[in-house]
Order: sequence, then C-alpha cells, then structure tokens
Amino acid sequence: AQTVTQSQPEMSVQEAETVTLSCTYDTSESDYYLFWYKQPPSRQMILVIRQEAYKQQNATENRFSVNFQKAAKSFSLKISDSQLGDAAMYFCAYRPPGYGQNFVFGPGTRLSVLP
Amino acid sequence: DGGITQSPKYLFRKEGQNVTLSCEQNLNHDAMYWYRQDPGQGLRLIYYSQIVNDFQKGDIAEGYSVSREKKESFPLTVTSAQKNPTAFYLCASSQRPGAKNIQYFGAGTRLSVL
Repeated sequence: AQTVTQSQPEMSVQEAETVTLSCTYDTSESDYYLFWYKQPPSRQMILVIRQEAYKQQNATENRFSVNFQKAAKSFSLKISDSQLGDAAMYFCAYRPPGYGQNFVFGPGTRLSVLP
Repeated sequence: DGGITQSPKYLFRKEGQNVTLSCEQNLNHDAMYWYRQDPGQGLRLIYYSQIVNDFQKGDIAEGYSVSREKKESFPLTVTSAQKNPTAFYLCASSQRPGAKNIQYFGAGTRLSVL
C-alpha cells in the first residue's frame, strides 16, 4: 500500500526567509501525481502546487516550488520569502494513476512564521 | 460563485443519534469525496462517489453511510455505530475521478459528541 511520510511535525521560519518542508512516499508505480495542500487556521484546504511524475521539471507557483526526486521518492516544498499568511498545516498527498484512484495524505507539517 | 458548501459548520451529536452532514457543489463535478481529519493525522477517506447513484467505501467507512442521488449533493450520515465520531469532516470534489484532476475542498464541519 502506498504511504506518505512527513517527518517534520512542526517547522518555523522567520518572515522573508526560506523554508523547506519534506515529504517522502512509497509506491511501485512509475506514473502518478503529487500535491501539496495548505490548511490555514480557517481549516479550508487549498491546493498549493501539483507535480506529475512523468515530468522531470520541478513545478513552481510564485514563491512555492518543489524539489521532486523520483528515484528517491522525495517531494519537498520550498517556500521563499515567507509571509505571515503562509502559517498553516501543509499536507503532502500522492495519487496513483488511473480512473477512480484516490489521494493518500501525509500527516502534515505545521508551519509557523515568525515576525 | 462556484464552490463547495458544507453545512453546518458545527454539529453536536447525542449518544445513539444519527446525524447528517451536508455537502453541495455547483462546480458540475462528477466525483465527490468525504474525508475525516483527526488531530495530528492526515486526511482519511470515508466514502467517495465517481458518478450519480454510485459510491464506494474508503479506508474508514464503518459507522458511516452516504447517498448520491443528485450530482450536486453528497450527504454523509454518521450513524450510532460510529463510536468515536468527534472529528473534523471535509468534503471534496473533482471534475473527473482521474488521478490528474485536482480535488477542491469545502470549509468543513466540526462534529462533537455531547
């Protein structure tokens, strides 16, 4: 069974600094999708970034970028120029290929941003 | 405004009572999902539906039931058989059930036991 591990339950970063959140996953598939979701105190889950495993290029969305290491099964999220609004729980998620497949979520990392 | 609406925001259940959580979407999405979130844990899938009048059990379906009579609606009933229902419940939808499709989430319902 696929699993997703986030080894950092909590992280903190100084405002305007850069922070990297770790995620590893276990799969025997070669084609799949990876996601980072953000859950702020409002509890609304918001998609941050998505990576397709067959694409070698790392996905980026403004201040958010990933370091996707397929062989190592690693999918870390880098947040640059951290802002107070980035404070949230961050969940890494894996989705196998094919019709009807569902997400496997990691346990989450709570990120605090210090002024 | 397109989106997913969950209601109520807070819900209280008495012992032996069934309660129903509402989830409505106006995104014209085919697939809908229910997740449970407990402190310190990721989201766990309860039930999902890929099309109207069809649904499948997720990883933790025991004590829960669903229906999908309309494309827009996917209510979740927490039955008295669910002995530990206190949790945060999230509903999600995606345009298609395929892997590349993004899931969009509602704002959630917090269920507590009186």
